[in-house]
Amino acid sequence: GEDVEQSLFLSVREGDSSVINCTYTDSSSTYLYWYKQEPGAGLQLLTYIFSNMDMKQDQRLTVLLNKKDKHLSLRIADTQTGDSAIYFCAEIPGNYGQNFVFGPGTRLSVLP
Amino acid sequence: EAGVTQFPSHSVIEKGQTVTLRCDPISGHDNLYWYRRVMGKEIKFLLHFVKESKQDESGMPNNRFLAERTGGTYSTLKVQPAELEDSGVYFCASSRVAGELFFGEGSRLTVL
Repeated sequence: GEDVEQSLFLSVREGDSSVINCTYTDSSSTYLYWYKQEPGAGLQLLTYIFSNMDMKQDQRLTVLLNKKDKHLSLRIADTQTGDSAIYFCAEIPGNYGQNFVFGPGTRLSVLP
Repeated sequence: EAGVTQFPSHSVIEKGQTVTLRCDPISGHDNLYWYRRVMGKEIKFLLHFVKESKQDESGMPNNRFLAERTGGTYSTLKVQPAELEDSGVYFCASSRVAGELFFGEGSRLTVL
C-alpha cells in the first residue's frame, strides 16, 4: 500500500517559523495537500500543490516539493497560537482513483 | 453555501449495538467519500460514491459496515454490530471535481 509519513509532534514559540515535513511514496501523485484539523473541528484544506511545481506561497504558508526525494514541507511564517492544530499531509496516488492517502498528522503546539 | 454536515457529532454505544452515521454533502457535489481515523492513526479511505453508485468500496474493513446513498443525496454509514476497534472519528467529504475534497467535522464513535 501507499504510505505517507510525518513526524507526530512539533513545538515552536509564537512568532517563530514552523516547518512540518512529509514524505510520500507515489511519484505519480498529481496533487499533494496539506489539511489542518483544529480541536473539535473537521479537516480544513490549507493548500495544495501540483506535482509539476516545486514551490507555492500563500500568505504565511509556503509549500516546498522535492519530487526527487518525494518530500513535501509546509512552512508557517510568524506562527501564532491559533495555528495550533494537527496538520495532515495527503496525496492522491496515481493508481488510487480519487482516494486520498493521508499521513498520520503532525500536532503543532505553539508556545507563548 | 452550507458545508458538509455530519450527524451525530459523537455517539457512544456498547459493543454489539448498531450505529448509523449520516452525511449531507455540499449541494451539487456528486462525489461523496467516507474516511475514518481510528485510534489516532492515519485517516483511511473507506469508500467513494458517485451519485448513488459505489465507485470504490475497497477501504471498507468488513461486512459489518454498510454504506448507502439512496437518491444520490445524503449518505449513511451503518456499523452493525459495532466492535471496540470501530471506535474513532468518521469523516465524510464531498467534491464536485477530482482532487478538491471538502470535509465535514466528523462523527466521533466510541464503542464501549
